Amino acid sequence: NAGVTQTPKFRVLKTGQSMTLLCAQDMNHEYMYWYRQDPGMGLRLIHYSVGEGTTAKGEVPDGYNVSRLKKQNFLLGLESAAPSQTSVYFCASRPQGAGNTEAFFGQGTRLTVV
Amino acid sequence: GENVEQHPSTLSVQEGDSAVIKCTYSDSASNYFPWYKQELGKRPQLIIDIRSNVGEKKDQRIAVTLNKTAKHFSLHITETQPEDSAVYFCAASKNQAGTALIFGKGTTLSVSS
Repeated sequence: NAGVTQTPKFRVLKTGQSMTLLCAQDMNHEYMYWYRQDPGMGLRLIHYSVGEGTTAKGEVPDGYNVSRLKKQNFLLGLESAAPSQTSVYFCASRPQGAGNTEAFFGQGTRLTVV
Repeated sequence: GENVEQHPSTLSVQEGDSAVIKCTYSDSASNYFPWYKQELGKRPQLIIDIRSNVGEKKDQRIAVTLNKTAKHFSLHITETQPEDSAVYFCAASKNQAGTALIFGKGTTLSVSS
């Protein structure tokens, strides 16, 4: 199993450009999450999904959109990138259990907006 | 929503010493508290977790304690080694289907030999 895979690993965008980050998991997990990691700020939740066709806002959702059309994929979109969105983005997935189970992370996407 | 505070932000110890990282949470309904370790340039990985029906859990040199009344939990690393150097994150989650993990801001642990 590959686990959780993020595409791309690195990207440089110009202000105002759009892009989509792809997260794919092959563990049949119900729950998927997008976090951003900035120095001194920890992992902040952007959006998450509790199942195919569902999405919910996290702590810092502004400027991002998500879609979960297939259970194994969770897409994060930036419609008009801003320098403040320069960050490392991590996707994670968890199985549906008693509500509290280990989250598995992807390898991260380093995004720079210039 | 849930808020998780983590202290200290940086911690430097000598090899062989113990290290303690503390976290507090705000939502009394939270009942799952994992700790993740992130080495430089790598993804976070679970090292230990605790559920609210347990006060303490140990795994070799790592232990976690939970005080539900005070809403705080701590990570204890004994006999630290240079390979323990990393960023450690605590998190909290409620026992509701689909609840996300909310993380603290992280602690950078440096173990010098």
